[in-house]
Amino acid sequence: KAGVTQTPRYLIKTRGQQVTLSCSPISGHRSVSWYQQTPGQGLQFLFEYFSETQRNKGNFPGRFSGRQFSNSRSEMNVSTLELGDSALYLCASSTTGGRSANVLTFGAGSRLTVL
Amino acid sequence: ELKVEQNPLFLSMQEGKNYTIYCNYSTTSDRLYWYRQDPGKSLESLFVLLSNGAVKQEGRLMASLDTKARLSTLHITAAVHDLSATYFCAVDAAEGAQKLVFGQGTRLTINP
Repeated sequence: KAGVTQTPRYLIKTRGQQVTLSCSPISGHRSVSWYQQTPGQGLQFLFEYFSETQRNKGNFPGRFSGRQFSNSRSEMNVSTLELGDSALYLCASSTTGGRSANVLTFGAGSRLTVL
Repeated sequence: ELKVEQNPLFLSMQEGKNYTIYCNYSTTSDRLYWYRQDPGKSLESLFVLLSNGAVKQEGRLMASLDTKARLSTLHITAAVHDLSATYFCAVDAAEGAQKLVFGQGTRLTINP
């Protein structure tokens, strides 16, 4: 059973650019969440999507956005990049029923460096 | 606002010793998660604790939950080098919400 797949794994951007990260959840998982991990702030929740709808949102500026497609794949976009956006961006998927409900399975992450 | 605090944040120990990582959280929650992260890698789910008094064990790791005290512990028995990693606890921000609030993480180093 394939895990959560994130692409790209590594990328370097410059300030002011934008970036799009992609996440393919585990087959059958309809909830996709995004987290930002930095040494200073730790792991912080960005947003969560279910059935193409954003259900929860963290305390991030509007430059951070996301969406989910009908096949549950998700993308997140960061516009007008700042140095502080350098981080590991983790995607996680989960089911919403049964014993494994709400247990997040994380992808390998996309490491973004902003120069 | 839900806060999750772990201690210690750094732990260096000898192989064969026992130790405990503590996770305190500030609001009521019946569900607590423990994750492991190896350097440069993603998060691996270790335990999901679903109710007060829940105890789960896997190998040399045992996790417990006391919802009244808002405290979870991760106990390491007879540590081995392979357990060196960063351990995170996390709590659901709200019932039914797919939104976890994580602790700061405990970086565990086990020396031969």
